[in-house]
Amino acid sequence: LAKTTQPISMDSYEGQEVNITCSHNNIATNDYITWYQQFPSQGPRFIIQGYKTKVTNEVASLFIPADRKSSTLSLPRVSLSDTAVYYCLVGDGPGTYKYIFGTGTRLKVLA
Amino acid sequence: GAGVSQSPSNKVTEKGKDVELRCDPISGHTALYWYRQRLGQGLEFLIYFQGNSAPDKSGLPSDRFSAERTGESVSTLTIQRTQQEDSAVYLCASSLVVGTGEETQYFGPGTRLLVL
Repeated sequence: LAKTTQPISMDSYEGQEVNITCSHNNIATNDYITWYQQFPSQGPRFIIQGYKTKVTNEVASLFIPADRKSSTLSLPRVSLSDTAVYYCLVGDGPGTYKYIFGTGTRLKVLA
Repeated sequence: GAGVSQSPSNKVTEKGKDVELRCDPISGHTALYWYRQRLGQGLEFLIYFQGNSAPDKSGLPSDRFSAERTGESVSTLTIQRTQQEDSAVYLCASSLVVGTGEETQYFGPGTRLLVL
């Protein structure tokens, strides 16, 4: 099974860059890596997705090394409103459809 | 446009009763997923539907759980003879394509189920 491993929690201060790394040793060839953000009492929300190298959008960057066995979500200059749980998501192997969420990283941004 | 909607938003029931949870996916999305999230924990995959194909039910925790979907529209998740351990938030998501690995799932707000 394509499981993921993330740090359980992280603390940061406003204005800092936060990097959250996800390990996915069994990622399949055709799997993409997707990160979601979840606030309390809400469903997860898509942040960014990538297959290899680097992807950047208006809210985050995603770094994926050549072996694709890990990925790092980078949040530039976090604010208090970035306090949330961040999930790393990969498929469960080629030709299947079970998407396994990681344990999630609880990010707390401090003033 | 409308996102994924779920109803009811909250449900309190007594142990042993049956409950039915509803999910309205984004129009045109062929794939639909159900997840369970217990308090303070991550998401647990339950079941997914892709178009008119037979659903993958292997994530359902017991035979008390069942789900249906008519075509590419509404889905219902039914829990029979509810138990206290069924208390959780049940999240539904939909996506455009399944099987390529690059689908983005759009989640609903969830149904908070409390079994007394």
